[in-house]
Amino acid sequence: EIVLTQSPGTLSLSPGERATLSCRASQSVTSNYLAWYQQKFGQAPRLLIYGASTRAAGIPDRFSGSGSGTDFTLTISRLEPEDFAVYYCQQYGSSLPWTFGPGTKVEIK
Amino acid sequence: EVHLEESGGGLVQPGGSLRLSCAASGFTFSSSDLHWVRQVTGKGLEWVSAIGSGYDTYYSDSVKGRFTISRDNPKNSLFLQMSSLRAEDTAMYYCTREAKVTGDWKDPFDIWGQGTMVTVSS
Repeated sequence: EIVLTQSPGTLSLSPGERATLSCRASQSVTSNYLAWYQQKFGQAPRLLIYGASTRAAGIPDRFSGSGSGTDFTLTISRLEPEDFAVYYCQQYGSSLPWTFGPGTKVEIK
Repeated sequence: EVHLEESGGGLVQPGGSLRLSCAASGFTFSSSDLHWVRQVTGKGLEWVSAIGSGYDTYYSDSVKGRFTISRDNPKNSLFLQMSSLRAEDTAMYYCTREAKVTGDWKDPFDIWGQGTMVTVSS
């Protein structure tokens, strides 16, 4: 099983600031099958990034993903008020079971 | 509009059973790979089970032997039959569709329902 670790656990920032979230895998993620999801309170997760760096349909370009192998990053270039949420990384297509990281909460400072 | 809607959650005693349903609309259900993902309140996401368009099935170790995933393509419906329920199965259960980018179980989850809450308690 691929274990995903996310850091930091909580990120306290102000609107307009840059957010950098990290996801580290316990073993290499095949073909960079790594996704990022956003979850707001009381809502279902929403796909943001897949293939480590491809934005899903309708996702603003302030969201970007990078990385390969075992180290991945989600960057939000300038935080908008609606971006304060919990972000999860997920590996898919590498090996069963599909696994998620524990999440990073981006909160308003 | 692409849509998934779960139902069937509720309060059940330990050792009991429950059947969750997920109604799909707005896409070709029969050719889609589908998953159940759960989330304990205030905690992270945990993959539970998957079923492919070819009816192949997969389960997490935590539910294997207790949960059964199935689908009814003519009714555009996904199911999760849960038995021998435990307190640790208490969670919000989401059905979700695997996107069709690469195929062969190598895609992210692009559509999610709003979830149905399962509470296992005496």
